[in-house]
Amino acid sequence: DAKTTQPTSMDCAEGRAANLPCNHSTISGNEYVYWYRQIHSQGPQYIIHGLKNNETNEMASLIITEDRKSSTLILPHATLRDTAVYYCIVRGSTGNQFYFGTGTSLTVIP
Amino acid sequence: DAGVTQSPTHLIKTRGQHVTLRCSPISGHKSVSWYQQVLGQGPQFIFQYYEKEERGRGNFPDRFSARQFPNYSSELNVNALLLGDSALYLCASSLTLEKLFFGSGTQLSVL
Repeated sequence: DAKTTQPTSMDCAEGRAANLPCNHSTISGNEYVYWYRQIHSQGPQYIIHGLKNNETNEMASLIITEDRKSSTLILPHATLRDTAVYYCIVRGSTGNQFYFGTGTSLTVIP
Repeated sequence: DAGVTQSPTHLIKTRGQHVTLRCSPISGHKSVSWYQQVLGQGPQFIFQYYEKEERGRGNFPDRFSARQFPNYSSELNVNALLLGDSALYLCASSLTLEKLFFGSGTQLSVL
């Protein structure tokens, strides 16, 4: 599975969009990009995943570049409850494990 | 519906002891995975079980073992505990491998 690179930490003002970048330059054609987040003292929570096309659900949007070497997770209107560590993960369709890395610690500021 | 439940929530052991951690998956989920999370790092994969068979194993020593029961619940066993085994142990269940649903974990402290 390809490795990912994320900034260690980011801040975002409450109510504004939070854009979390992720580099995965060694991603291969059959590998998906996943995002999970972990709020303090809880287990990680699935957010979204995609292969090539941009994806949107009730939690977030995932924008994957055309060459698939990077992606951005967008939380459209960040709230204080979005303060968490966000993990970008690349995983093959047949892989049975997720490599979480160290993630981005997002702090939403009032 | 209940989520993934893990027990106990906290545990204190001493070096050399053995520990058993338990996990009940979401109803209908046949796959259970175990992860170890050391403070300040992301979770690391230990095992994955599906239909009571081991389907994957991470880079952990043989002191770590697991099993899955007919009702799909699972146990993680760690023998000969070391100080470095102190961590949050997370269990996740899934219907498909696309979405993992994690429990809140068992915080293990080895003294």
